[in-house]
Amino acid sequence: QVQLQQWGAGLLKPSETLSLTCGVYGGSLSGGSWHWVRQPPGKGLEWIGEISHSGGTDFNPSLKSRVTISMDTSKNQFSLRLNSMTAADTAVYYCARSLVNVDYGMDVWGPGTTVTVSS
Amino acid sequence: DIQMTQSPSSLSASVGDRITITCRARQSISTYLNWYQQKPGKAPQLLIFGASNLQRGVPPRFSGTGSGTDFTLTISSLQPEDIATYYCQQTYNFPRTFGQGTNVDFK
Repeated sequence: QVQLQQWGAGLLKPSETLSLTCGVYGGSLSGGSWHWVRQPPGKGLEWIGEISHSGGTDFNPSLKSRVTISMDTSKNQFSLRLNSMTAADTAVYYCARSLVNVDYGMDVWGPGTTVTVSS
Repeated sequence: DIQMTQSPSSLSASVGDRITITCRARQSISTYLNWYQQKPGKAPQLLIFGASNLQRGVPPRFSGTGSGTDFTLTISSLQPEDIATYYCQQTYNFPRTFGQGTNVDFK
């Protein structure tokens, strides 16, 4: 059974760069597409972007200029970088997997990382 | 972007009630519609994919219908563990978009 574990700094100052990594356990990066989703306090879910098993990426246009998603197949992990952070980027950040056989639904999620941007 | 609109934003019900949540897409998304359940402090969980397919391990009291622009999630008999926020999501195209959520609690 695939599990995701995520790590990275949780407290940033304005203008700094967020860097989060998601490790894939019990499965392979070649078996799906890999996403980042965030949730500001008390608000709904916002899709940030994805990287496919072949390395192709798609991003939310609202964040595209600031986002990088990459993967390291040797370590079976994928990463998010979001630069020029502001208080508006304060949120819980989740990594997730989607599969074509569930119509690209996100069937496995990481536990979430709380990220706070404050001076 | 395909805007997804859920209604109601919140609802209160009793144990055993049948409840229905609606999700409307701004344009046709065929059946590329998924439903998630999120409990406080937890990651979302996939309930239904492809508008009407129950994800493995999800109780059969959950069901989904719809195609095109209008979709529904039904809980046939509300249980205490169903208290949560429910989100719809389209995977017809990029960017993936979610509804704003429906908070379900007890009367």
